[in-house]
Amino acid sequence: GAGVSQSPSNKVTEKGKDVELRCDPISGHTALYWYRQSLGQGLEFLIYFQGNSAPDKSGLPSDRFSAERTGGSVSTLTIQRTQQEDSAVYLCASSWTGGRTGELFFGEGSRLTVL
Amino acid sequence: RKEVEQDPGPFNVPEGATVAFNCTYSNSASQSFFWYRQDCRKEPKLLMSVYSSGNEDGRFTAQLNRASQYISLLIRDSKLSDSATYLCVVNNYGGSQGNLIFGKGTKLSVKP
Repeated sequence: GAGVSQSPSNKVTEKGKDVELRCDPISGHTALYWYRQSLGQGLEFLIYFQGNSAPDKSGLPSDRFSAERTGGSVSTLTIQRTQQEDSAVYLCASSWTGGRTGELFFGEGSRLTVL
Repeated sequence: RKEVEQDPGPFNVPEGATVAFNCTYSNSASQSFFWYRQDCRKEPKLLMSVYSSGNEDGRFTAQLNRASQYISLLIRDSKLSDSATYLCVVNNYGGSQGNLIFGKGTKLSVKP
């Protein structure tokens, strides 16, 4: 499809398990962002990629969280040893210009529930 | 002080009403400003950019006051379909968070 694609759309896991969330950005978009949104809360910035490098990792909440991007395209967000407070919707977005024009295209998100 | 602040609402208004949302930002060097809309359990989408001279798109008017570091969004003749959360977004080009800072949003509910 033409939009940002995320998988899985829903993930239920047990506390302590590792999870991987995938994002396929719009083809040709150089910038890729990960955010998370807890129920009724605003967007929490996690990490930003320009190409394959991550100039800003300031939002990753702990060392259990990591992300990579390969080939300037697909990105994976990994959460190790999941905790209940990790439950949230994880949103990926991409853009041409690294935020300069402000237009980010968001995927529909991956809803993570940690039991 | 938070980088981008918005009144969380909710704003409950009848159809046809005019409603205004405000947003303040802390970084005086911010260069670009935007309003996003997020429907319940959906992803955010760009509503409109905010230009220095103010700009209008149909029933929506956005204004910027750089001196006061204040952005506004005015919605005229509210429709039921306008019910959503409106996010104020500020670009800190070269700054943190991939250059974009999102406010927590203002929730609007338009009633029949």
